[in-house]
Amino acid sequence: GNSVTQMEGPVTLSEEAFLTINCTYTATGYPSLFWYVQYPGEGLQLLLKATKADDKGSNKGFEATYRKETTSFHLEKGSVQVSDSAVYFCALSGEYGNKLVFGAGTILRVKS
Amino acid sequence: GAGVSQSPRYKVAKRGQDVALRCDPISGHVSLFWYQQALGQGPEFLTYFQNEAQLDKSGLPSDRFFAERPEGSVSTLKIQRTQQEDSAVYLCASSPIITSLARSNYGYTFGSGTRLTVV
Repeated sequence: GNSVTQMEGPVTLSEEAFLTINCTYTATGYPSLFWYVQYPGEGLQLLLKATKADDKGSNKGFEATYRKETTSFHLEKGSVQVSDSAVYFCALSGEYGNKLVFGAGTILRVKS
Repeated sequence: GAGVSQSPRYKVAKRGQDVALRCDPISGHVSLFWYQQALGQGPEFLTYFQNEAQLDKSGLPSDRFFAERPEGSVSTLKIQRTQQEDSAVYLCASSPIITSLARSNYGYTFGSGTRLTVV
């Protein structure tokens, strides 16, 4: 079945550091890939998505590229801020579905 | 309302007790989902409604779990005879579309969840 594996956290960075959170997936066909973010006390929010190979999703300075050859969708940001501290979830949905399969989440802590 | 509302925010139940968790989706959203998020894990799919029809309940872990959405708006997730392993955050999400996520820019809107602790 479909599955998502993401790097374990917590990831602790200083403000303005470069961020990478690794995500790899296993799926049949051509899934869509997503990054969701969960700020303390809030619901999950869609951060970005990509629906086909080589697509790049981007939002709020975050980027991720759908790499089918490596089955990866790594999240990157060039310069993190304290306000980026949150839990980040990589997820996929099947080619025709609307059900999400999530990774375990990665806690990001950014220190000033 | 402006977002997906879930109540209660926190629920402590004694083992064996029945509980009911409520979800108020965004008005007009036809799709509604329930997910279960155990501590330190990502959310796991439980069930999906399109209006009042429960189209997928493949993620419900046992027959103690039951969900309904009788009028196509508010949904209730009921857990009978709660067990300690049921302790988790239960998330509700709604969407205005019924087609695949790949074909839509909307995605889901998630509620803040109900944290259930079974003691």
